[in-house]
Amino acid sequence: DSGVTQTPKHLITATGQRVTLRCSPRSGDLSVYWYQQSLDQGLQFLIQYYNGEERAKGNILERFSAQQFPDLHSELNLSSLELGDSALYFCASSVEGGRAVDTGELFFGEGSRLTVL
Amino acid sequence: DAKTTQPNSMESNEEEPVHLPCNHSTISGTDYIHWYRQLPSQGPEYVIHGLTSNVNNRMASLAIAEDRKSSTLILHRATLRDAAVYYCILRGFYNTDKLIFGTGTRLQVFP
Repeated sequence: DSGVTQTPKHLITATGQRVTLRCSPRSGDLSVYWYQQSLDQGLQFLIQYYNGEERAKGNILERFSAQQFPDLHSELNLSSLELGDSALYFCASSVEGGRAVDTGELFFGEGSRLTVL
Repeated sequence: DAKTTQPNSMESNEEEPVHLPCNHSTISGTDYIHWYRQLPSQGPEYVIHGLTSNVNNRMASLAIAEDRKSSTLILHRATLRDAAVYYCILRGFYNTDKLIFGTGTRLQVFP
């Protein structure tokens, strides 16, 4: 158990719909990362937040958005869904606040599997 | 982001050592070499990382070439549970830097 919780584990929806994926990082971790993994694209970095602020952006579509809340949990919003958005979405966290030494190891959740029909 | 090159797949027998190579000829002086692995139906998990010197932990060893243009992840005795995709990743100096995954090496372990 990595300590990172993602909900829901599975989600089936239709094209054109909107969904929200939720991530609770390890207790105290300040940084949250979102990744998309599809069969033909591998693990793609989407976006990173650090203590509520956007830190880095990757291949995230304009239809997708994310935020990190004051309690450090994060949500990834996917809208106008297309068949190609079907994938596993992973959240990871790192950088426990207050630690003197931190390797920056990322801890990944078990993922949310999104199926768009 | 600096690029890494890994073989698509490798095979090993159980209880034998496994050497997983990674080339990173464009590595910069401040890039750390990280290894993660992804077991079937799970999220990636950290294995090991290093900068210049060889590193050991309970999971594996990391051997880094003197010129840092290549590295090798060593699993000393492969088990069936080590069957996974192994990713070699270059990461910047700051521990808040993102990880960019490549295609990795799929390791098969035979009993």
